[in-house]
Amino acid sequence: SQQGEEDPQALSIQEGENATMNCSYKTSINNLQWYRQNSGRGLVHLILIRSNEREKHSGRLRVTLDTSKKSSSLLITASRAADTASYFCATDVGGSQGNLIFGKGTKLSVKP
Amino acid sequence: DTGVSQDPRHKITKRGQNVTFRCDPISEHNRLYWYRQTLGQGPEFLTYFQNEAQLEKSRLLSDRFSAERPKGSFSTLEIQRTEQGDSAMYLCASSSLRLAGDSEQFFGPGTRLTVL
Repeated sequence: SQQGEEDPQALSIQEGENATMNCSYKTSINNLQWYRQNSGRGLVHLILIRSNEREKHSGRLRVTLDTSKKSSSLLITASRAADTASYFCATDVGGSQGNLIFGKGTKLSVKP
Repeated sequence: DTGVSQDPRHKITKRGQNVTFRCDPISEHNRLYWYRQTLGQGPEFLTYFQNEAQLEKSRLLSDRFSAERPKGSFSTLEIQRTEQGDSAMYLCASSSLRLAGDSEQFFGPGTRLTVL
């Protein structure tokens, strides 16, 4: 079963605008990760935030984590057409369970 | 290129046939994962290995599915008696477990299976 739920399911913006995607999850986590997937391709890791962190930055990406609300957000600033892709959050519940649990993703379209 | 590679990239087969996919992880990674992804969905976990040991299998992995990682390096995923519902993208990922306990996974390009 899928733990993460991204919101919105689809997002269309103009180049230069910011894009915000949200993710909610159900159980306690060790960390939460965001991945990008271009159409029909493999996933690319973007950023990892640990359960004891609240905010993390990487280039134009900003991720927040609120463990009390079991939610995370991914902000992409100054978007580019090349950012067009599907974005997935994935939770790592840690322990002996090694797999990631992915949401259904947000499909982002950035128009030039 | 030292990323995760998968072979073949595409496979079309007839229902009832067996298929086998291969994954070569990043060489220093001790963990290897298999996921399945259908259209419009996120990847769903199938199984993972730490070195050559298969540590966990999802309920999605029916007895028609078997995975191996005989020497702790490459892995194979075999599907016997394929069904149309097996049509999906099969993704392989690898990681190296860090002391901190968290690890990002590096994904291969996937094998797209179509069962006719």
